[in-house]
Amino acid sequence: EDKVVQSPLSLVVHEGDTVTLNCSYEVTNFRSLLWYKQEKKAPTFLFMLTSSGIEKKSGRLSSILDKKELFSILNITATQTGDSAIYLCAVEVGAGGTSYGKLTFGQGTILTVHP
Amino acid sequence: KAGVTQTPRYLIKTRGQQVTLSCSPISGHRSVSWYQQTPGQGLQFLFEYFSETQRNKGNFPGRFSGRQFSNSRSEMNVSTLELGDSALYLCASSYGQGKFAGELFFGEGSRLTVL
Repeated sequence: EDKVVQSPLSLVVHEGDTVTLNCSYEVTNFRSLLWYKQEKKAPTFLFMLTSSGIEKKSGRLSSILDKKELFSILNITATQTGDSAIYLCAVEVGAGGTSYGKLTFGQGTILTVHP
Repeated sequence: KAGVTQTPRYLIKTRGQQVTLSCSPISGHRSVSWYQQTPGQGLQFLFEYFSETQRNKGNFPGRFSGRQFSNSRSEMNVSTLELGDSALYLCASSYGQGKFAGELFFGEGSRLTVL
């Protein structure tokens, strides 16, 4: 069965700190790994990673994938209170260029940033 | 362009009743998937439809069903409701094929409470 595990499950930091969130996976027919941010409502898309070793960046957020070791990290530098949210890691499976239309999600990391 | 729209946003039902939830995807998206989110289990995949065909299904009982219409709008139905069905039901849309098949855009969810 496909499995995605995130760590830590929760994290409390102060504004300005840098955080690293971890995601490891065991799936058959890996296609992509995605990170989402969920505040009070719908998860919002952050990154999609398909290739090993290529960092994706967006402002203070960055992410990298290691397909050999089957994990990804999400870094947030100079954290702000607005970064407080649940960060979800998900893996898409598929084969031959076709998606199976399913994401398997990790449990999420609850990040709390204090002023 | 408009995001994913889910209706109703909140609903309260009693055990044994049935419920139908609706989802309108982003224009141009042909894939609609449904997820159940609970505090204990996180986000769990229910099923995915692409061009009116169910492409994948999660490990939920047959009481959970769905369909997709020719305009890509989707509905999910839960019959004979149980207390444990209380959850946030999230719909997500995507192109469903090609490089960005796994990039899901979520609606705000339908919060179901079963009494």
